[in-house]
Amino acid sequence: AQSVTQLGSHVSVSEGALVLLRCNYSSSVPPYLFWYVQYPNQGLQLLLKYTSAATLVKGINGFEAEFKKSETSFHLTKPSAHMSDAAEYFCAVSRRSNDYKLSFGAGTTVTVRA
Amino acid sequence: DTAVSQTPKYLVTQMGNDKSIKCEQNLGHDTMYWYKQDSKKFLKIMFSYNNKELIINETVPNRFSPKSPDKAHLNLHINSLELGDSAVYFCASSPFPRLAADTQYFGPGTRLTVL
Repeated sequence: AQSVTQLGSHVSVSEGALVLLRCNYSSSVPPYLFWYVQYPNQGLQLLLKYTSAATLVKGINGFEAEFKKSETSFHLTKPSAHMSDAAEYFCAVSRRSNDYKLSFGAGTTVTVRA
Repeated sequence: DTAVSQTPKYLVTQMGNDKSIKCEQNLGHDTMYWYKQDSKKFLKIMFSYNNKELIINETVPNRFSPKSPDKAHLNLHINSLELGDSAVYFCASSPFPRLAADTQYFGPGTRLTVL
């Protein structure tokens, strides 16, 4: 079985500060890993994904994430928060087999203070 | 052009009623999904269809019945609505061949409120 845990249901940062969202997975085989963002009253949008090509993955809007197998983690970062980053962020995993089922973490709400 | 669209955006109804939510994608994808997002924003897959064939059917009450008339459409019909069905329902699609690394593209959601 696979699951994903997001540490911290709510993160508050100042504009211009570092954004760090934590995601850990549990799987005997490293899965594919995704970060999705949900802006208020909208659907989910892919930020980035890890598919084993490179451990440091760059995404849209200045976000990046690093896959660390030894720590079973895929934390999301952005060096400088912008007001428009206020949203719900979801980490998700899918298995490295012909299984396209996404399992989502509980989500982290990011608020950005002016 | 909207890639994945859902109608209606909001749906308010009484307990016991039957309702449908429609989803259409114009991305040419073969695989479509329904997700339920509860009040705590937890997302869980309900169903998936690939080219009109049901391929994922999670533990969902049989009051929920997906229907795919063609690969661009996946509708969700709910019978005898209950209070616990109140949630936001998201449709999504992904390309063929269906792979674990595929990006899923989500619609804007349908907020269902059962009174």
